Amino acid sequence: QVQLQESGPGLVKPSETLTLTCTVSGDSINSDDYYWSWIRQPLGGALEYIGYIYHSGPTHYNPSLENRVSISIDSSRSQYSLHLNSVTAADTAVYYCVRGVNYVAVDHWGQGLLVAVSS
Amino acid sequence: DVVLNQSPLSLPVAPGYPASITCTASQSLLNRARGHTYLAWFHQRPGQSPRRLIYKIFNRDPGVPDRFSGSGSASHFTLRISRVEAEDVGIYYCMQGTHWPYNFGQGTKLEIK
Repeated sequence: QVQLQESGPGLVKPSETLTLTCTVSGDSINSDDYYWSWIRQPLGGALEYIGYIYHSGPTHYNPSLENRVSISIDSSRSQYSLHLNSVTAADTAVYYCVRGVNYVAVDHWGQGLLVAVSS
Repeated sequence: DVVLNQSPLSLPVAPGYPASITCTASQSLLNRARGHTYLAWFHQRPGQSPRRLIYKIFNRDPGVPDRFSGSGSASHFTLRISRVEAEDVGIYYCMQGTHWPYNFGQGTKLEIK
């Protein structure tokens, strides 16, 4: 059973860069069957798809965040990371790393990590 | 971008009674190249991560009780619970994975009467 675990700071200052890492276990991050996603949820709010990456490198970013976001992958560590720059209070949310299955849908979610943007 | 509208946004249901949530998309979610419609349903309990219940309109995930069923086509979809139980409380989201950016409905909060 695949497991995903988010890690990173719980507090980031405005205008700084938010960096989170997801560690994948129980399945291969190198599988061609999967893509590796980030989804966020403001407290009490709805879910927003940030973007995803394939193990080979191609990425897709939500146009609403495209000028501030990047996702990278380190297959040797079975990890992938989210980088969101120039953060504001509007970026305060629970951030989830999520596995996607090609031609099906996202399925397994990490437990989520609350990140607050505040000085 | 595709807009997903869920209805109702709040759904009080007595135990043992049925419940129904609709999800309407602003355009068809059929992927013509693959012949599949990438519409999924998720359930999120308070303080927990979402859990997928249904994928590609009507396919139930392993371990999901058969009282949950999905139906629909093109841009209109429904999640039905045949007999609501106390553990079904939480927020239900539909999600489309056909058109980028993928996105979710606003959520429907199910509560037990």
